[in-house]
Formats: sequence, C-alpha cells, structure tokens
Amino acid sequence: GAGVSQSPSNKVTEKGKDVELRCDPISGHTALYWYRQSLGQGLEFLIYFQGNSAPDKSGLPSDRFSAERTGGSVSTLTIQRTQQEDSAVYLCASNNGGQYEQYFGPGTRLTVT
Amino acid sequence: GESVGLHLPTLSVQEGDNSIINCAYSNSASDYFIWYKQESGKGPQFIIDIRSNMDKRQGQRVTVLLNKTVKHLSLQIAATQPGDSAVYFCAENTGGFKTIFGAGTRLFVKA
Repeated sequence: GAGVSQSPSNKVTEKGKDVELRCDPISGHTALYWYRQSLGQGLEFLIYFQGNSAPDKSGLPSDRFSAERTGGSVSTLTIQRTQQEDSAVYLCASNNGGQYEQYFGPGTRLTVT
Repeated sequence: GESVGLHLPTLSVQEGDNSIINCAYSNSASDYFIWYKQESGKGPQFIIDIRSNMDKRQGQRVTVLLNKTVKHLSLQIAATQPGDSAVYFCAENTGGFKTIFGAGTRLFVKA
C-alpha cells in the first residue's frame, strides 16, 4: 500500500520568505509527527497530532513554526520568515496511536539561501 | 537531560563480516527500543524492536541486545552486505507518544 508521502521533495527559498511543507500520512493512521533533521544529525521532534486531540507543539523551536492537520489526514508545516538555520530535512511520520513504530516519509530538504 | 546516544559516529566493515552498532540510553524508565535504518535520501525505516523485559531479540540477519544494567543497546548485523550501508538510529520510548532518537551511526560496507 501507499506509504507516507511528502512534498515538495526539495525546496530552495530566500531568507525571510515563508514556506509550506506537506505531509500525506498512511491512510487510517491517527497519529502524525514532524521532525527536523539537520545535516549529519539525529531527529529533532517538532510536533505531534493524535486524532482530534490538541497537538503537542512542545518541539517547535520558535513561533515562526506552525503546523496544522486538516480532517485528521494531511498536515502542513509552515515556517514563516525563514532563516538560514532552518535549512534541514523535514521528516513526517505516521502510525496508529497505540503503536511505537513510526512510518516515515522521504522528507523535504529545505535550503534557505 | 535525557538522551539516547551512540558510541561511534561511523563504522566501516568488510562485506561478509558482522557489524555491531552500539547505543547508550540514559532514561531508566524507557520500556521500548527501536532500531531504524536510514538510507541516503530516504526516511528512517524500522528494523527491529525490543521491550525492556527482554534482553535479546533476533530478526532476519539482525539481532538486538539490551543490557538494562548498564543502559546499553546494540544492533548486530550478520554477514554485512553493501545494501546495509546506511545510518542507523536507536530510539527509546517511555510509554507515551514521544520517541527520543539517537544521533545515528553511519555504516560503510567495503566490498
């Protein structure tokens, strides 16, 4: 079946511009996660959605970052007024809330020039 | 703070040899551990997991060992193949949704 998909796969933007990254989770998965992975680094948790519950935003690094999940499916991560330090790969994952294993998308590589 | 870390950032092995990737964790309350494999340009992919009430679990060519006394986790890959070249992450979970990932070890397999 279809896995987690993310778009775009690559995004180059100028410093100060806003960007939107999209994640399509596996159909039926209730939980959705966003992570940031800087070059050669591990995964930094950003935000977690579970069903209709309020999202856990504890990992968002600043108020320039926000995310929403419409209809319990597709999620969009928005970064406003991008900075060069925002350059990274942004990974999305999903699972059923009771699972530990997460299913990851291929990521969006964001480059801020 | 709590963390999951790896002893070696890179590991180079000869094709056909066994690989051992190590991981230290600091949260004694963690009850579930996962190893992920991340190939270039892809997201992490589940390899094998282990619960804290076990000390060993085997999969296909992979074995995970858990030593709770010293808070150590390892991934053993038998007969390493070129396709095993990737970054390997250990991850821990304390029962909630939040998973803590280690920094990763890059495995190079020499032909």
